[in-house]
Amino acid sequence: NAGVTQTPKFQVLKTGQSMTLQCAQDMNHNSMYWYRQDPGMGLRLIYYSASEGTTDKGEVPNGYNVSRLNKREFSLRLESAAPSQTSVYFCASSEDIGGSPYYGYTFGSGTRLTVV
Amino acid sequence: KNEVEQSPQNLTAQEGEFITINCSYSVGISALHWLQQHPGGGIVSLFMLSSGKKKHGRLIATINIQEKHSSLHITASHPRDSAVYICAAPESYNTDKLIFGTGTRLQVFP
Repeated sequence: NAGVTQTPKFQVLKTGQSMTLQCAQDMNHNSMYWYRQDPGMGLRLIYYSASEGTTDKGEVPNGYNVSRLNKREFSLRLESAAPSQTSVYFCASSEDIGGSPYYGYTFGSGTRLTVV
Repeated sequence: KNEVEQSPQNLTAQEGEFITINCSYSVGISALHWLQQHPGGGIVSLFMLSSGKKKHGRLIATINIQEKHSSLHITASHPRDSAVYICAAPESYNTDKLIFGTGTRLQVFP
């Protein structure tokens, strides 16, 4: 099925460990996003990529890095995990024309990350 | 930068009731999104609208651009509608970076 594939679904890390969350979409969308969702708060943008080879910081980028490997894939890396990064992470993609998303968003199924 | 507020935070209803969830935002936008987050955590895009009204099955979304306000209505609610409903607006006009509301948790009882 077409959509956004996100891996892994669950992960437990020890403080200081590193990991990469993978995301791939097969809808030929230009824009891709990484969000985190914490209890009582709306989804918050970590990083954003408007096209292959470009990335921009979002609202909460500290402690994260991203790579837009090609048009399909957008990965999120935690270099040295901290308990404050315990969260649910969502990747999303959208088509956009002239800077406005005309076709809505498609979300991955989420990654539940716990840092102990 | 846009601020998005939703009300109510929590909503319970009996099956068959008409449901209304409200969303207001502070900055003029090109389009507003309504999303549904299932109890299992998956997020689905329900509507993206820039004016007037959109309908899909028992779901109706309306937007008043001048008032900076949108509503999501569910007619003849059903227990399977139980989910968190989230509205989201662009950070500013003509950007595709969204600011999300904190969501409305809806529980529909038989």
